[in-house]
Amino acid sequence: DAKTTQPTSMDCAEGRAANLPCNHSTISGNEYVYWYRQIHSQGPQYIIHGLKNNETNEMASLIITEDRKSSTLILPHATLRDTAVYYCIVEGLGGGADGLTFGKGTHLIIQP
Amino acid sequence: DAGVIQSPRHEVTEMGQEVTLRCKPISGHDYLFWYRQTMMRGLELLIYFNNNVPIDDSGMPEDRFSAKMPNASFSTLKIQPSEPRDSAVYFCASSIAGPRTDTQYFGPGTRLTVL
Repeated sequence: DAKTTQPTSMDCAEGRAANLPCNHSTISGNEYVYWYRQIHSQGPQYIIHGLKNNETNEMASLIITEDRKSSTLILPHATLRDTAVYYCIVEGLGGGADGLTFGKGTHLIIQP
Repeated sequence: DAGVIQSPRHEVTEMGQEVTLRCKPISGHDYLFWYRQTMMRGLELLIYFNNNVPIDDSGMPEDRFSAKMPNASFSTLKIQPSEPRDSAVYFCASSIAGPRTDTQYFGPGTRLTVL
């Protein structure tokens, strides 16, 4: 059973903030939310992860609701190179040391 | 760092032939993962290793598939005999051990076509 639900596709104008939602209503207390993306013809790339606090790095920000049942990945100033499939993944602590379960992801298309 | 290296990048073979895919993880990484990606099934974990030992191979589709990791810097995924339904992109990934391991680094993938 899928642990996450994401929209199939989204469009965003170049230079705007891209906000990608993810629902994970069955997340348990020790599970983290991870985001990866896959640019066409490349391997998946780690973006960010978090438990309950909002997180920010050089690539993106992750906003997790207080009940942890949903989250939003924010790309603050989207560029054409951000066009990719974005995967929201829920995994236990040490998500890098266990197999990742990828869903269908969201195909984000950045429009010029 | 060169990242995860996979070879070949593309492989075209005929049904019934043996196929060997290769992966060199990032130096110092203790975990190595093999994934397969198809349009129908998306990205699926096949098997992963910790310190060269297979930990979970429940994703390996059938006995035609086998994976080995003879040392910390090399792993192979073998399909024998290959079938057209094995056509997919195969990714290798690695990560560093630790209780707060948070990132898997993926290679560029091997695109396998079985005719």
